[in-house]
Amino acid sequence: DAKTTQPTSMDCAEGRAANLPCNHSTISGNEYVYWYRQIHSQGPQYIIHGLKNNETNEMASLIITEDRKSSTLILPHATLRDTAVYYCIVVLTGTASKLTFGTGTRLQVTL
Amino acid sequence: EPEVTQTPSHQVTQMGQEVILRCVPISNHLYFYWYRQILGQKVEFLVSFYNNEISEKSEIFDDQFSVERPDGSNFTLKIRSTKLEDSAMYFCASSEFLGQGAHEQFFGPGTRLTVL
Repeated sequence: DAKTTQPTSMDCAEGRAANLPCNHSTISGNEYVYWYRQIHSQGPQYIIHGLKNNETNEMASLIITEDRKSSTLILPHATLRDTAVYYCIVVLTGTASKLTFGTGTRLQVTL
Repeated sequence: EPEVTQTPSHQVTQMGQEVILRCVPISNHLYFYWYRQILGQKVEFLVSFYNNEISEKSEIFDDQFSVERPDGSNFTLKIRSTKLEDSAMYFCASSEFLGQGAHEQFFGPGTRLTVL
């Protein structure tokens, strides 16, 4: 699986959009970009995934660059409950393969 | 909403003892996983399980570890002879295979294992 690089930490004011970047410059054509988050010591929670098109669901939007070497997770209106560690993970398609977690980005949402 | 459940939430054991961590995956899921997270460290993959056999395992998953699906609902992780360094949060996850790429994994709340 391709390696990802994320900033160690970010702050965001409540109500503002949180934009979390991820670099995955060695991603191959059959690898998806997945985002998970972990609130305190809870189990990781799936947020969104994509292959090459931008995606949106009720939690977030995922913007993937045309060359697929980077992506941005957008939480449109961050709340205090979005304070968590966010993980960008690249996963091979067509398999139920393991998730390889890095250190992620610690997002702190403040009043 | 269906969810993965794990029991117990906290297990304290003496070094050298056997422990069994239990998980009930989401009912229509076919793929099952165990991960662990030592305090302050990354979430690490241990093992994946499909069709009643191990699909993949990490270097951490040595002969001291085993997994089993003893019936149609439970998925267990056994550590035969616990060591101090096995102290960690253990997460179970499950997924349904939806074809190309889509295998969102649902995680349980975890079991905190403390080895004394």
